[in-house]
Amino acid sequence: DIVMTQSPLSLPVTPGAPASISCRSSQSLLHNNGNNYLDWYLQKPGKPPQLLFYLGSNRAPGVPDRFSGSGSGTDFTLKISRVEAEDVGVYYCMQALQTPLTFGGGTKVEIK
Amino acid sequence: QVQLQESGPGLVKASETLSLTCTVSGGSISVDGYYWTWIRQRPGKGLEWVAYIYYTGITYYSSSLKSRLSLSVDTSKNQFSLRLSSVTAADTAVYYCAKGGGAFWDGYRVWGQGALVTVSS
Repeated sequence: DIVMTQSPLSLPVTPGAPASISCRSSQSLLHNNGNNYLDWYLQKPGKPPQLLFYLGSNRAPGVPDRFSGSGSGTDFTLKISRVEAEDVGVYYCMQALQTPLTFGGGTKVEIK
Repeated sequence: QVQLQESGPGLVKASETLSLTCTVSGGSISVDGYYWTWIRQRPGKGLEWVAYIYYTGITYYSSSLKSRLSLSVDTSKNQFSLRLSSVTAADTAVYYCAKGGGAFWDGYRVWGQGALVTVSS
């Protein structure tokens, strides 16, 4: 199975400040079609997860452009240019290259 | 707009079988290319991908659960189901159903609200 590792585990942020979350995979997520099979999800308290990005950097509908996804191969990053109060929750990366699909352990973003 | 709704017993006794159904509304389960998926979350823990099924009945299971797991699909009812046998307290979790894939992979865009299943001893 592909192991997904996120850091940090917890990320206290000041409103208006940037934030960055790292996700690493135990093997390359780059498919021979040129796409990286890496998604990002945000789970707000008491809610199901919501899709932020698919195939590494493709923003899902309705996701604010202060969010960006980047990376390739085994190293990926989710960035928030200016954190807002509504961005709190747990962020997960997930590889969709091969079954079984696997999630990272999550990064909890909270407001200072 | 496709919507998903999980249903099933909220309490299951240890060693028995956990059964959940996900009902798909607002669209057909029989559309080619979609992965009808179960994902679970133990209390206070992260997300764990469990399994998915195509409308044709082809399945893919989690490595750790596959010996106890069975998925099925009922296209006439627009539903897919999960059965997990010989449950223990470690199977206590919120179980989500989700829709993913399509003509190309575009993530899990649609999720159910989740069903909490507690395994009692």
